Amino acid sequence: KAGVTQTPRYLIKTRGQQVTLSCSPISGHRSVSWYQQTPGQGLQFLFEYFSETQRNKGNFPGRFSGRQFSNSRSEMNVSTLELGDSALYLCASSGGTDRRAPLHFGNGTRLTVT
Amino acid sequence: KNQVEQSPQSLIILEGKNCTLQCNYTVSPFSNLRWYKQDTGRGPVSLTIMTFSENTKSNGRYTATLDADTKQSSLHITASQLSDSASYICVVSASNAGNMLTFGGGTRLMVKP
Repeated sequence: KAGVTQTPRYLIKTRGQQVTLSCSPISGHRSVSWYQQTPGQGLQFLFEYFSETQRNKGNFPGRFSGRQFSNSRSEMNVSTLELGDSALYLCASSGGTDRRAPLHFGNGTRLTVT
Repeated sequence: KNQVEQSPQSLIILEGKNCTLQCNYTVSPFSNLRWYKQDTGRGPVSLTIMTFSENTKSNGRYTATLDADTKQSSLHITASQLSDSASYICVVSASNAGNMLTFGGGTRLMVKP
């Protein structure tokens, strides 16, 4: 069974630009959640999608948005990039109905904003 | 405010030795506590998940304990191997928050030969 796939693995963008990251969950998983990881703040929850609907949202500004498609693939968009948005962005998938189920993480997209 | 604190921040041990990592949390209402291992440049991998009623769970050489009364958890690694070098992250879920998790800052473990 293929794992969670995130593309691209690396991105370099300029301040003010926007970026779209992609996440393909494990086949059959309906929940996809997104996280930002930085050396200073650690891992922080961005949002979760389940069956194309946003189910939870973390404490991030509106510049961070996402969506989920009918095949459960998800995209995350960051508009008007700031230097502080440089981070590793991780997505994770799970079945979505059992809160105790483990999250399966992808290897992330490393975003650098210059 | 929900918080998860881990100690120590970093740890160096010799191959073959045991070690214990600590996690204290103030997440409420508690749903479950998870330990993840994250190798450099990769996503976290689940080691254990414990609910309120579970006080010990093992996964090979990894044994997690949970004391829900004191809101503390530990991860014990037995007979460490070089491949255990990684960050270990404690994550706590609140029962009213779905998959919205609170992450600890992690313990960076280095196992030396």
